[in-house]
Amino acid sequence: TQLLEQSPQFLSIQEGENLTVYCNSSSVFSSLQWYRQEPGEGPVLLVTVVTGGEVKKLKRLTFQFGDARKDSSLHITAAQPGDTGLYLCAGVSRYFGNEKLTFGTGTRLTIIP
Amino acid sequence: GAGVSQTPSNKVTEKGKYVELRCDPISGHTALYWYRQSLGQGPEFLIYFQGTGAADDSGLPNDRFFAVRPEGSVSTLKIQRTERGDSAVYLCASSLRPGPSYEQYFGPGTRLTVT
Repeated sequence: TQLLEQSPQFLSIQEGENLTVYCNSSSVFSSLQWYRQEPGEGPVLLVTVVTGGEVKKLKRLTFQFGDARKDSSLHITAAQPGDTGLYLCAGVSRYFGNEKLTFGTGTRLTIIP
Repeated sequence: GAGVSQTPSNKVTEKGKYVELRCDPISGHTALYWYRQSLGQGPEFLIYFQGTGAADDSGLPNDRFFAVRPEGSVSTLKIQRTERGDSAVYLCASSLRPGPSYEQYFGPGTRLTVT
């Protein structure tokens, strides 16, 4: 069974601060995705990283895929209250012509105005 | 615009009862996925349809769970003899084609509570 552990599980910080969320696994993934989920809604895809060592930026969010394609991080600069939500990483694995998403345990982020 | 819709939004049922959860995917999306999300956890894969057929049902926890997609559009997740441990949010997602090159669009979920 592939497991993706996220840390921290909960994070509450003041508006304007920076933060990093980590996603770690012992398994190698073909790519990795990050989602944000708000209460009562389904997850929404933020980014997909494919190549080991890849860095992608989405405004104040920076995503990095580990060189060995087993881990990833999400860094938010100058956090804003609108960043509040549940952040989920998801590893993509290929098998027998199919592809499957394995979601991480989630990081619940609260930005205090 | 029309996204993925799920009905009902909430379902409360007694232990041992049968329930059906419905998913209406985005029109034209051939791939449909069901996930289960327990409180405080990430979604867990249950089953994936390509068209009318279940391409991968390896995530279904046991034979009390079954899903169909008879016309390649709407899907129904069926749970027999519900147990308290089945309580969770059941999420449906669809994508234009299978695979992560095509974004999965999630519905708001059905919150199932088994008492």
